[in-house]
Amino acid sequence: GAGVSQSPSNKVTEKGKDVELRCDPISGHTALYWYRQSLGQGLEFLIYFQGNSAPDKSGLPSDRFSAERTGGSVSTLTIQRTQQEDSAVYLCASSDGRHRDYTFGSGTRLTVV
Amino acid sequence: AQKVTQAQTEISVVEKEDVTLDCVYETRDTTYYLFWYKQPPSGELVFLIRRNSFDEQNEISGRYSWNFQKSTSSFNFTITASQVVDSAVYFCALSETGGNTNAGKSTFGDGTTLTVKP
Repeated sequence: GAGVSQSPSNKVTEKGKDVELRCDPISGHTALYWYRQSLGQGLEFLIYFQGNSAPDKSGLPSDRFSAERTGGSVSTLTIQRTQQEDSAVYLCASSDGRHRDYTFGSGTRLTVV
Repeated sequence: AQKVTQAQTEISVVEKEDVTLDCVYETRDTTYYLFWYKQPPSGELVFLIRRNSFDEQNEISGRYSWNFQKSTSSFNFTITASQVVDSAVYFCALSETGGNTNAGKSTFGDGTTLTVKP
């Protein structure tokens, strides 16, 4: 696609529920990244994919967080048993794999109530 | 471990003033990339510039200029003749290559909120 697409744009969920966040990167971009941005804060790295592999998942905060990427394209970030501290904007970015310039999506604003 | 510090949390200027946003980084890698991103009030982060650690040449793009100094581990960003549309949060970022130049995470600073008043 023309840009990085994330869905849903907003998600309100009850504490303890599972959520899935989706990212559709720019067509042909081999690298895909997930970051989290809490209100008024910087960007916290979660995980990145090169193709379908995740060479660095060091930023996942707990085993409640997982991500996968299929077909070298769409990625899903899953948060199980959501907690209030999971509330944040989850940002996805992709790059062409030759450079590390990120193209970001608009993000998914997750609110856990 | 890589680290980026943007000491200025908020800056407020009047239109047409020049403003410099500071960025200091820490890395043990000899090959790395530095970036600046802009996050306007609409929310979507936009890439502005990438710099390779081997290239210390300063760069100018219109009213924007960047000063990269390895000796002080700084990569500062100057906006000349600021405009209201420059109001945004600006993030500096660092990406170590670790020998892999293809892809890798970036570490972001906490951002500097720039407000340009008319």
